[in-house]
Amino acid sequence: RKEVEQDPGPFNVPEGATVAFNCTYSNSASQSFFWYRQDCRKEPKLLMSVYSSGNEDGRFTAQLNRASQYISLLIRDSKLSDSATYLCVVVTTSGTYKYIFGTGTRLKVLA
Amino acid sequence: GAVVSQHPSRVICKSGTSVKIECRSLDFQATTMFWYRQFPKKSLMLMATSNEGSKATYEQGVEKDKFLINHASLTLSTLTVTSAHPEDSSFYICSARDREQASYGYTFGSGTRLTVV
Repeated sequence: RKEVEQDPGPFNVPEGATVAFNCTYSNSASQSFFWYRQDCRKEPKLLMSVYSSGNEDGRFTAQLNRASQYISLLIRDSKLSDSATYLCVVVTTSGTYKYIFGTGTRLKVLA
Repeated sequence: GAVVSQHPSRVICKSGTSVKIECRSLDFQATTMFWYRQFPKKSLMLMATSNEGSKATYEQGVEKDKFLINHASLTLSTLTVTSAHPEDSSFYICSARDREQASYGYTFGSGTRLTVV
């Protein structure tokens, strides 16, 4: 089983739609979680951290479910500019500090 | 916010030559930097953890003699791809974190697209 798993998509949604991505992780000792966005042929950029209590930043909401070992990202009112690959990142500190990426979920918002 | 500068952004080299990639943290110190590679339409794969003043820690399957990492200062880590071959062609990205802003996650360099011909 991979350490971090995501549905690769692609998710094709119309503008204005709400879309949700999930990401599961295998290491229960994982401590920190992030969502990154990566545009084609570019480096990943931090979208938001994920907190246990859930957090919201504008149209984006991230949630963590430690019991089921998954994190989620909800995008409301999708814009064309949201088209990108969304990567979840899980940080584990058992032994060494590791920053593990999921495979990414590709989102395409259609006009 | 924290900025990581990576250079060069693109390099084409002949098979058998070595290529050095630099990763600099600007305006902050990074005791740890990570090196990733990414193949087309694939996720970032961690290659190694670069530790300032000590040897890098390599992930399983990554040849330490082929991918030399040097982290001689708190703001600079270098990755040298030695005796490069076409299968080494990939997108290499480094990342670092400002310890003072740990909750903000890691910042990535802009990446280096290596093509070995």
